[in-house]
Amino acid sequence: EVQLVDSGGGLVQPGGSLRLSCAASGFTFGSYDMNWVRQAPGKGLEWVSHISYSGGTVYYADSVKGRFTISRDNAKNSLYLQMNSLRAGDTAVYFCARRYCSSTGCLFDYWGQGTLVTVSS
Amino acid sequence: EIVLTQSPDFQSVTPKEKVTITCRASQSIGSSLHWYQQKPDQSPKLLIKYASQSISGVPSRFSGSGSGTDFTLTINSLEAEDAAAYYCHQSGSLPWTFGQGTKVEIK
Repeated sequence: EVQLVDSGGGLVQPGGSLRLSCAASGFTFGSYDMNWVRQAPGKGLEWVSHISYSGGTVYYADSVKGRFTISRDNAKNSLYLQMNSLRAGDTAVYFCARRYCSSTGCLFDYWGQGTLVTVSS
Repeated sequence: EIVLTQSPDFQSVTPKEKVTITCRASQSIGSSLHWYQQKPDQSPKLLIKYASQSISGVPSRFSGSGSGTDFTLTINSLEAEDAAAYYCHQSGSLPWTFGQGTKVEIK
């Protein structure tokens, strides 16, 4: 069974840093691209960042570019999101999501349970 | 950036009624459009992929249609357990984007 377990959220002051983790199990982690998607309280879903299966290709939403860094450790079946220079607008539940690709295209097929990041003084 | 606009934002529906949610893309995305269901305090769950393809384990009352810029999610004979927010999502062009969501409430 595919499982993604998000952790690392918490309360942080504006300008602070936080590192999120996503522990994967039930599939060959190193064969899949992974992503982070966030959801501000009471709001919709926003894609944040992507990393290819090897870690060689990364993409970021403009709203986090230069402040967030996505990484992975395939030996540990783990995905990370280093968040620096945090702002109130980064307050959200952060979900890791597996990106499944086939000949038809790609999509997010499995999601973690989410971890809440609150940026406030 | 491709903007996805869903309508309506909110729908209050009686059990067994039919629900139709639309998603319009700001430019053509072929069939790279997927639908997710999110219940309160849960993560999104994939309902329909590539506009109209069903997902194993998802009840057959959920169906999707459309291509290009106009897409529809249909829930035939709504059940109480279908109370949730529904999101469309395009995976064809970076940045990948989501619709603003449609909340379905059971009367």
